[in-house]
Amino acid sequence: LAKTTQPISMDSYEGQEVNITCSHNNIATNDYITWYQQFPSQGPRFIIQGYKTKVTNEVASLFIPADRKSSTLSLPRVSLSDTAVYYCLVGGFSSNTGKLIFGQGTTLQVKP
Amino acid sequence: GAGVSQSPRYKVAKRGQDVALRCDPISGHVSLFWYQQALGQGPEFLTYFQNEAQLDKSGLPSDRFFAERPEGSVSTLKIQRTQQEDSAVYLCASSLGLAVQDTQYFGPGTRLTVL
Repeated sequence: LAKTTQPISMDSYEGQEVNITCSHNNIATNDYITWYQQFPSQGPRFIIQGYKTKVTNEVASLFIPADRKSSTLSLPRVSLSDTAVYYCLVGGFSSNTGKLIFGQGTTLQVKP
Repeated sequence: GAGVSQSPRYKVAKRGQDVALRCDPISGHVSLFWYQQALGQGPEFLTYFQNEAQLDKSGLPSDRFFAERPEGSVSTLKIQRTQQEDSAVYLCASSLGLAVQDTQYFGPGTRLTVL
């Protein structure tokens, strides 16, 4: 599966928009891009998934440029409860089992 | 609604003991995954079941690790002769269908500490 690179940590303040960018230069044609969120002592939680262009749900937006070699997770108006680790994953039909390959993730710290 | 549940939530074992970790997936979910998460790291894939069939066990670190899902629902991850390096959080996830992009729903994990 394609390897991903994302910042180890980010800081933000309540009410700000946070953008976390993930690089995946070797993404395959059939790969989807998926973001998970993990709070301490909990399992990861699905946030959003996309293949190309832009995807938006009630929690976040995902921007994917035409070459698909990177993606950006956008969290609007973050609150203290958004403090968590965010994982960018790339996978899809290139894996016949759907297993997820996690990197170290980005630790987002939201300050008051 | 009922999510993925795991038991026990915490397990302390002495080195050399056998442990069994249980996962109750979301009802009706066909696919089930086990992951291992070391402190400060992302989860790492261990094994995958499609119903009762174990289709991928490439991530199991040694032959001391064994997983089963005999009736296609509840799954058990067994670790024999535990070692200190087995200390980690063990996460179970399930997904509804067979599509590899199906959303995986994770349980809270079992934190295993081997003394």
